[in-house]
Amino acid sequence: EAQVTQNPRYLITVTGKKLTVTCSQNMNHEYMSWYRQDPGLGLRQIYYSMNVEVTDKGDVPEGYKVSRKEKRNFPLILESPSPNQTSLYFCASSLLGTGDGYTFGSGTRLTVV
Amino acid sequence: DAKTTQPNSMESNEEEPVHLPCNHSTISGTDYIHWYRQLPSQGPEYVIHGLTSNVNNRMASLAIAEDRKSSTLILHRATLRDAAVYYCILRDGPSYNTDKLIFGTGTRLQVFP
Repeated sequence: EAQVTQNPRYLITVTGKKLTVTCSQNMNHEYMSWYRQDPGLGLRQIYYSMNVEVTDKGDVPEGYKVSRKEKRNFPLILESPSPNQTSLYFCASSLLGTGDGYTFGSGTRLTVV
Repeated sequence: DAKTTQPNSMESNEEEPVHLPCNHSTISGTDYIHWYRQLPSQGPEYVIHGLTSNVNNRMASLAIAEDRKSSTLILHRATLRDAAVYYCILRDGPSYNTDKLIFGTGTRLQVFP
């Protein structure tokens, strides 16, 4: 089944403890992206990647890192999480150059205390 | 960055048609118009997309204005399951250089029995 898989689904952590949220897709998509969703603010793009080793900032990249060493994986790294990064995170992927739709993961709910 | 404007909320009765509008006056010639919906506690789900001509699929229809500055997502017979937040976004189809998406806050559709 074609899908985008995020792990974990839920995570509670403490301020300053490094964490990684994984995202994997099995559709050979070039494009992958991370979003955060907060009440009243909709979906905001954090980082995106057009292909392996190619990444760029979205609208809210501060406090986050990403890497794209393999086509299928696009992990989101929080080096020193803070409470303002408590949010619902989504990963998405798509083919490029076709205008086709995006496939989203089921989300990761992160709480930083 | 191309942006879209949608009403914050709309209401419908079950089994009635629903027309969800979207304005995108700054659309460029290569932008595809995408629609997604997000059910509570789930990731966004692709609904439909188009470039210039009206499009139909099993979920909905997309009507695109002749000047492409607006579009309408049509749900032909609303069901309770269609209650969700609907997002209209623009995506540069042929681009291999950048894919910075702006989702906005979408339209919350309520469906009444």
